Amino acid sequence: DAGVTQSPTHLIKTRGQQVTLRCSPKSGHDTVSWYQQALGQGPQFIFQYYEEEERQRGNFPDRFSGHQFPNYSSELNVNALLLGDSALYLCASSLAQGSGTEAFFGQGTRLTVV
Amino acid sequence: AQSVTQLGSHVSVSEGALVLLRCNYSSSVPPYLFWYVQYPNQGLQLLLKYTSAATLVKGINGFEAEFKKSETSFHLTKPSAHMSDAAEYFCAVSESSYNFNKFYFGSGTKLNVKP
Repeated sequence: DAGVTQSPTHLIKTRGQQVTLRCSPKSGHDTVSWYQQALGQGPQFIFQYYEEEERQRGNFPDRFSGHQFPNYSSELNVNALLLGDSALYLCASSLAQGSGTEAFFGQGTRLTVV
Repeated sequence: AQSVTQLGSHVSVSEGALVLLRCNYSSSVPPYLFWYVQYPNQGLQLLLKYTSAATLVKGINGFEAEFKKSETSFHLTKPSAHMSDAAEYFCAVSESSYNFNKFYFGSGTKLNVKP
């Protein structure tokens, strides 16, 4: 079982650019969530996708958007990058059914905006 | 609204000593609580979870946590620290329903283990 895989592992972008991060969920999982972890902080929920739709969204601007594909993989897109977008972006997968299920996290994509 | 407070951003213990990492939560509904560990440059790994069964939850690597509703706490303990336990630990509360599962994380506690 490959677990949750994310690509790329590291990325450097310039302010104003756009970036796409990718995530493949753990085998059998149908729900993908994205989190932003700024340096020295805990992960903050960005949004969650289930059945190719955004089900929940955190307090992030519309510059952050996403997509889920029929095979449950997902992309996170960030437009008009700001220096403050520099962070570790974590993808988490889980099963939709049942409350209290744990999320499995990927190793993250380290985004640096210069 | 859900929230988590972790007391102490840094904790240092000697190898073989007791590890105690504190977590208090706020939840408007019966909570689902989790502890995750993060090693440098890695993602989060689940240590243990509480989902309204036994109040004392045992996890991996010898860690355990006790849910105390009256104190709204879910502190993480390990009787004897090992050098390999040095990492950052995150407490989280889950808000979930049939088709969504959202985690609120604390700000983390970095555990340093001295030889």
